[in-house]
Amino acid sequence: DVKVTQSSRYLVKRTGEKVFLECVQDMDHENMFWYRQDPGLGLRLIYFSYDVKMKEKGDIPEGYSVSREKKERFSLILESASTNQTSMYLCASSVAGNTYEQYFGPGTRLTVT
Amino acid sequence: AQSVTQPDIHITVSEGASLELRCNYSYGATPYLFWYVQSPGQGLQLLLKYFSGDTLVQGIKGFEAEFKRSQSSFNLRKPSVHWSDAAEYFCAVGGYNQGGKLIFGQGTELSVKP
Repeated sequence: DVKVTQSSRYLVKRTGEKVFLECVQDMDHENMFWYRQDPGLGLRLIYFSYDVKMKEKGDIPEGYSVSREKKERFSLILESASTNQTSMYLCASSVAGNTYEQYFGPGTRLTVT
Repeated sequence: AQSVTQPDIHITVSEGASLELRCNYSYGATPYLFWYVQSPGQGLQLLLKYFSGDTLVQGIKGFEAEFKRSQSSFNLRKPSVHWSDAAEYFCAVGGYNQGGKLIFGQGTELSVKP
């Protein structure tokens, strides 16, 4: 059974902290994605990666960076967390050549106070 | 610009009743269309997809959707809703114009009355 796991279900951080959200997939997928989900806005793509050490900006990359040192792991980094980054963060993965059929993790609900 | 609109933020149906969730898209070429479902506390799961061919597509859990190019719509249907169908549903569009990325609609939350 395919699986995408995220390091935390709930996270509370203070403004200005550096925050790491981790995502691991066990399906040997080449593509990995980070989204944020906000009520009324659906899912918006932050960054995606189609190979180790490769990354591309999505629609809302400002304030975020990513790291992919190993195929199975894709990290989202908030360099200096702000209250407007309070959100649900979803990680997903897909096989090479098919970026549309994505497998999602359960999400991390991040609150920045 | 490409976009997806789900006009209904929240829908309530009785268990056993039929369901139709609306999705309209704006896309400059032939789109690839998807419906994803997010059950409470879980990530999204792909329900069904349309790439080409037959405009009526079948998915998992008894769902189907129909692509209507003339109406730029891809509505999701189910003939008889079960309580376990209560979830949030997302329509999404992708294609070459999007560089392989998906654009998601705002989501429709479905509640099921016993």
